This record gives sequence, C-alpha cells and structure tokens, in this order.
Amino acid sequence: DIQMTQSPSTLSASVGDRVTITCRASQSISSWLAWYQQKPGRAPKLLIYKASSLETGVPSRFSGSGSGTEFTLTISSLQPDDFATYYCQQYSSYFQTFGQGTKLEIK
Amino acid sequence: EVQLVASGGGLVQPGGSLRLSCAASGFAFSTYAVTWVRQAPGRGLEWVSAITASGITTYYTDSVKGRFTVSRDNSKSTLYLQMNSLRVDDTAVYFCAKASSREFGLGSYLNYWGQGTLVTVSS
Repeated sequence: DIQMTQSPSTLSASVGDRVTITCRASQSISSWLAWYQQKPGRAPKLLIYKASSLETGVPSRFSGSGSGTEFTLTISSLQPDDFATYYCQQYSSYFQTFGQGTKLEIK
Repeated sequence: EVQLVASGGGLVQPGGSLRLSCAASGFAFSTYAVTWVRQAPGRGLEWVSAITASGITTYYTDSVKGRFTVSRDNSKSTLYLQMNSLRVDDTAVYFCAKASSREFGLGSYLNYWGQGTLVTVSS
C-alpha cells in the first residue's frame, strides 16, 4: 500500500494569510494526486486533481504542485469559507489512499 | 446537477448485515466507475470498495474482502454495498463517490461525493 503523510496535522492561520499544506507519498505516484476539502458533517469536495489541475468552479486562490513523492496545496489568501479539513489522495492504483488530513483553524 | 444520495445506514449488532444504496442522478451513471469511502467518527477517509462502469470488475480494501460486496444496477442508476459479518470497527459514515472515468484506479479521481450514511455497529 502507498502511504500518504500530510503535514502539518493542524494549522492555525488568519484571513488573508498564505498557507501551504504538504503531502508525501511513500513511493512515487507521478502526478496522480488529488486534494479535497471537507467541512464538518459534509462530504469531501474535490479541489485539485492530477497534482495541479484546478477543478471547475474552485477559486483560483487554491493551487497545487509537485510530482513523484512530494506535493503541496497552497491557498494564496485565506477566506473565511476556507477553514476546513484538507485531505490529499493518491490514485495511482485501484487501492486509493488518503492522507490523515490537515485541519485549518482560525487563529 | 450531479447528485449522489446514500441511504441504508443504521444501527446493527456485531455479526449483522446491512445493505447500503446510492442513488445517482445528473450524469450518465453507466459510463463511470463508482466507489465507497468511509470515515470513522473523528477520523480520516478510508477507501473501501469500487466497481467499474460495466460492473465487471470490483475492488476491495483488505479489511472488508469476503464480507462486503459492491454491485450496481445501471438501469436504476444505483450503487449498492452489501455488508455482512459487520464488526465494531466498521462503524463509520459511508460515502459514495463518482470516479472521473469508466475504469477505477490509475488516473481515476473522485469528482463528486454523496452526503454519506452512518453505519453503527454496536451491541
């Protein structure tokens, strides 16, 4: 199984801040990585696929980068609606695995 | 508008069975793979099972192999998960999700998710 490790687990930030979340894969997954946002009691929402492609309708302040084993999700200027938990997911095989999540909190 | 509505969750005793359903609308259901992902209370996301668009190929995480069976009825645009021999550690919200292609795996991410249905396994 490919293990996905996110850091940090919790991130405190303020509206307007630029934040970056890191995701590392235990082996190379090329660019087969997605990022999801989840709010309490809600289903996850796709933000980024293929490491850096922005899903339709997702604000341009979200961006993704990386390939191989190291990836980042960046939010350029935090908005109140962005405080949520973020998950990375590898889909390089049928056995898809998720990172443990990064909870983005208001400072 | 793509919609996925999961149902069938509830309280069941260890060793019991449940059948989850996921009704899809707003897209050509028969042309996409679909999957189940679960989330235990306060925990992260765990992929559980998937089925290709044709229904010919199914996939399972190791912990549910032999106990869970995924299926689909393309004529009803509905995905199912038959869960037998349920264990306490199967307790979770079960989400159904649409894959981005007809096959599942390399290159197939999850672009739409349903709201989830809660399964509680407890005596």
